[in-house]
Amino acid sequence: GDSVTQMEGPVTLSEEAFLTINCTYTATGYPSLFWYVQYPGEGLQLLLKATKADDKGSNKGFEATYRKETTSFHLEKGSVQVSDSAVYFCALRLSNSGYALNFGKGTSLLVTP
Amino acid sequence: NAGVMQNPRHLVRRRGQEARLRCSPMKGHSHVYWYRQLPEEGLKFMVYLQKENIIDESGMPKERFSAEFPKEGPSILRIQQVVRGDSAAYFCASSTTRGEETQYFGPGTRLLVL
Repeated sequence: GDSVTQMEGPVTLSEEAFLTINCTYTATGYPSLFWYVQYPGEGLQLLLKATKADDKGSNKGFEATYRKETTSFHLEKGSVQVSDSAVYFCALRLSNSGYALNFGKGTSLLVTP
Repeated sequence: NAGVMQNPRHLVRRRGQEARLRCSPMKGHSHVYWYRQLPEEGLKFMVYLQKENIIDESGMPKERFSAEFPKEGPSILRIQQVVRGDSAAYFCASSTTRGEETQYFGPGTRLLVL
């Protein structure tokens, strides 16, 4: 079935370090791909998305490129800040499934000063 | 513009009791989705509703769970005769139109069953 696999956390980085959180997917169709972020005690917020192969989503210094050949959507940021500490979820949504987002288990990121 | 509202934020129930979780979508949104997050797991889709209609309940457990989204008022996720395995975070999301790409999430209700 359709699924999303994320690298396991927690990931601990020093401020200004480079961030990569890996995400790969398995899907029977042509999914849209998303990264959501969850700050402590809050709901999920959409960080970025890409709807077709080779699209690059970007927001707040984060980027992810939809790679159909490697079925990946890795999240990157060149220089993390303490305020980026959160849990990051990769998700897919099939264009013909209608509604449901299919999430990975989440990757916890802790950025230290 | 207020976001998606959920209440209560935390709910404690004893085994066998009922749990009612409420979700008010963003203003102008008429589509609501419920997801469950078990400990150490990602969010799992449960049900998708429009006003007065259940569109897709393929992720709902067959027994004890029900959902509604009345013409007036919030969407309700109801769990009857709760068991310890129901302990989880329940998130509601909303969107403006059917199949819209972006779903906006509420802060969640953390349910603990003793």
